[in-house]
Amino acid sequence: EPEVTQTPSHQVTQMGQEVILRCVPISNHLYFYWYRQILGQKVEFLVSFYNNEISEKSEIFDDQFSVERPDGSNFTLKIRSTKLEDSAMYFCASRLMDTQYFGPGTRLTVL
Amino acid sequence: LAKTTQPISMDSYEGQEVNITCSHNNIATNDYITWYQQFPSQGPRFIIQGYKTKVTNEVASLFIPADRKSSTLSLPRVSLSDTAVYYCLVGKLIGGSQGNLIFGKGTKLSVKP
Repeated sequence: EPEVTQTPSHQVTQMGQEVILRCVPISNHLYFYWYRQILGQKVEFLVSFYNNEISEKSEIFDDQFSVERPDGSNFTLKIRSTKLEDSAMYFCASRLMDTQYFGPGTRLTVL
Repeated sequence: LAKTTQPISMDSYEGQEVNITCSHNNIATNDYITWYQQFPSQGPRFIIQGYKTKVTNEVASLFIPADRKSSTLSLPRVSLSDTAVYYCLVGKLIGGSQGNLIFGKGTKLSVKP
């Protein structure tokens, strides 16, 4: 069964550093998403991406964040200058029709 | 987006059937209902989705009454590995918004031996 994959599974970085989180969505899916979940809190929507552009973004997704689909398979989330409060699980999801399928997540720890 | 309300937690024993009910009084005509399961430090896993009446798959059943203002996820004969958080979400059918999901706190199901 096709799955969304994410790398790395765990990323540790220093405050102020840039990080890139990588996702490989399910191959024939057209809509891509990033969500995050701070420990003990709800899953929060960050951004959706369709047809090579952002279609929606939340208030969390400020100028420090960017997304890219650099080739036909990868979908990346970049955080330019990480803050302590960016520490969270980051989930990628993809969708073809009505159902979103989530990846296993990347745990980002900002020190 | 329709707001959903579900119990914060539920306890059950192995082998029992578990029913988790979700209220979504403001559901719109083109909204569908989706349930996800999440284990700690893992991504939400799709369980089942429906629009009306009853949907069944190999994992669960979803019951939706005619007014669609609530839905019930039914897990037959739960095991310890079903201990997880279960989320009820309501979202637009394809052709509507781009479908970003709004998660609530979910229902934390604890299955005991």
